[in-house]
Amino acid sequence: EVQLTQPGVEVKKPGESLKISCEGSGYNFINYWVGWVRQMPGKGLEYMGIIDPLDSDTRYSPSFHGRVTISVDKSITTAYLQWSSLNASDTAMYYCVRSLGKNVNDGFDIWGQGTKVTVSS
Amino acid sequence: QSVVTQPPSISGTPGQRVTISCSGTSSNIGSNYVYWYQQFPGTAPKLLIYKNNQRPSGVPDRFSGSKSGTSASLAISGLTSEDEADYFCSTWDARWEDRRSGRWVFGGGTKLTVL
Repeated sequence: EVQLTQPGVEVKKPGESLKISCEGSGYNFINYWVGWVRQMPGKGLEYMGIIDPLDSDTRYSPSFHGRVTISVDKSITTAYLQWSSLNASDTAMYYCVRSLGKNVNDGFDIWGQGTKVTVSS
Repeated sequence: QSVVTQPPSISGTPGQRVTISCSGTSSNIGSNYVYWYQQFPGTAPKLLIYKNNQRPSGVPDRFSGSKSGTSASLAISGLTSEDEADYFCSTWDARWEDRRSGRWVFGGGTKLTVL
């Protein structure tokens, strides 16, 4: 079965760093882009960025560029989303997604179950 | 404010056909495929329609997608209570041919209520 596995919950304090993971399984990991999508409580979906596991080519949404870092370790079929300093406004659900095909604009066919990040003092 | 626009809510009765619109511009819907996602409360979104009008395996043919110019639509026929969910359209947005400058955009979502 093709799936993306994420940790369920992360709780952090403002100013702390965080790196969340997304492990791909059931498919050839390097053949599909992996992206990240944010959903704030009660709100819609926001595209954050995407990475090609083959060569780590990374594209960011202008709204998130400089605020997060997307990376990948293809040897363990895992993509990452990280923050160096969290603030309360980062509280949200974060989904990793797999591209439908080999192109960056191919849409997302597989979604992880999401990581709920709560930032609170 | 979302780059692509959807109505925030629609409603219908069982058995009815409803349509959700998604309006964009020439740099997004007008020149790229449209995708639709379905999300139930507390769960991850699921791909419902890809490349304007294609259904992934397992999606009932009650769901159909279309695109014309800078707008797209998702139609749901034979409405049931199980269709009550949020629906999001999405497309690639790029002002130039260089895909490095592009990004994915989502509509704000439409909450479907089955009365």
